[in-house]
Amino acid sequence: GENVEQHPSTLSVQEGDSAVIKCTYSDSASNYFPWYKQELGKRPQLIIDIRSNVGEKKDQRIAVTLNKTAKHFSLHITETQPEDSAVYFCALSIQAGTALIFGKGTTLSVSS
Amino acid sequence: SAVISQKPSRDICQRGTSLTIQCQVDSQVTMMFWYRQQPGQSLTLIATANQGSEATYESGFVIDKFPISRPNLTFSTLTVSNMSPEDSSIYLCSVEWSGGEQYFGPGTRLTVT
Repeated sequence: GENVEQHPSTLSVQEGDSAVIKCTYSDSASNYFPWYKQELGKRPQLIIDIRSNVGEKKDQRIAVTLNKTAKHFSLHITETQPEDSAVYFCALSIQAGTALIFGKGTTLSVSS
Repeated sequence: SAVISQKPSRDICQRGTSLTIQCQVDSQVTMMFWYRQQPGQSLTLIATANQGSEATYESGFVIDKFPISRPNLTFSTLTVSNMSPEDSSIYLCSVEWSGGEQYFGPGTRLTVT
């Protein structure tokens, strides 16, 4: 079945720096790519998503890019703040109505 | 987005017993899913809860261990049967919203002793 590789597993940055998390996948039929943020003891929260017909999407300080040819997608967080500290999961699905397959997660620590 | 609730929020159970987790959504949704998240790990799909028919289980999960009900478009239950300490985990339901995005319930933290 489909597999999602997520890197790095941990990421430490200084406040104000940028953070980038990358996920690679194998099935070219994958067409929906969301990112979730999970704070300790909380549910995963959808923060941004992208579909296969779009190359980039931005929402304030976060952006997601998709390279369908290379089969990877990345989360970019600019001007990081301590409240960005959390575990971030990439995910994907093959089509609407199917469940998500998750990466193993990246623990982001932003120090002030 | 949908408002999703789960009951119970947490429980401590004895091995060999069963626990039923409820997931309620404030709007009708077609797709509901159940995931498991073991401590410090990612989310793993248990099954897709199909309304009016049997759930579709992922490899490694069986109906006898994790029976699922989906009586209508706003409610589903997951039962963890004959529990062992290895079943200690967070169990989350999710729903697919109108735009195709998925939202999660708050989770049920299960500890089996």
